Amino acid sequence: AQTVTQSQPEMSVQEAETVTLSCTYDTSESDYYLFWYKQPPSRQMILVIRQEAYKQQNATENRFSVNFQKAAKSFSLKISDSQLGDAAMYFCAYRSVGGNKLVFGAGTILRVKS
Amino acid sequence: DTAVSQTPKYLVTQMGNDKSIKCEQNLGHDTMYWYKQDSKKFLKIMFSYNNKELIINETVPNRFSPKSPDKAHLNLHINSLELGDSAVYFCASSQAGTGVSYGYTFGSGTRLTVV
Repeated sequence: AQTVTQSQPEMSVQEAETVTLSCTYDTSESDYYLFWYKQPPSRQMILVIRQEAYKQQNATENRFSVNFQKAAKSFSLKISDSQLGDAAMYFCAYRSVGGNKLVFGAGTILRVKS
Repeated sequence: DTAVSQTPKYLVTQMGNDKSIKCEQNLGHDTMYWYKQDSKKFLKIMFSYNNKELIINETVPNRFSPKSPDKAHLNLHINSLELGDSAVYFCASSQAGTGVSYGYTFGSGTRLTVV
């Protein structure tokens, strides 16, 4: 079974600075999808960024980018120019190509200081 | 228009009661899910339906029964509620096939509190 590990329960960043959230996963599959979701205090789950494992190029969405290291099974999220609105719980998630189940990590709370 | 809508958003009820949470999606997705988020924020899948057919049924007490009258709706009925059922329940949907890489679209969650 696939597992997703987020080793940082909590992180803090100063406004306008850059922060990186870590995620590792375990799978025997060669093709899969990886996601980062944001959950602000409103509890809505918001898709931040996704990565297809067969693509070597790291995904980027505005201030959000990933560092995808397939051999190391690592999928970290970098947030540049952090804003107060980025404060939330961030979840890393894995999904098999043919699968229906999204497997989540335990989450990382991100605090943004002004 | 809300893509995935859940009702109610909050539910407070006494132990032993039976309650239902409703979910509807207007995205035309084939697959719908129920996830439970516990007090430590951990998200775990409970059920998944594809075109009204149950395809995932994780280890969930029999008191929980999903029902999908059509592919746009997935309801969750809970019998004999217990204190440990208190959690946030999320409905989600996704498209099979070429849409798999787009992950899920989530509803806003239902916070269930059993007293």
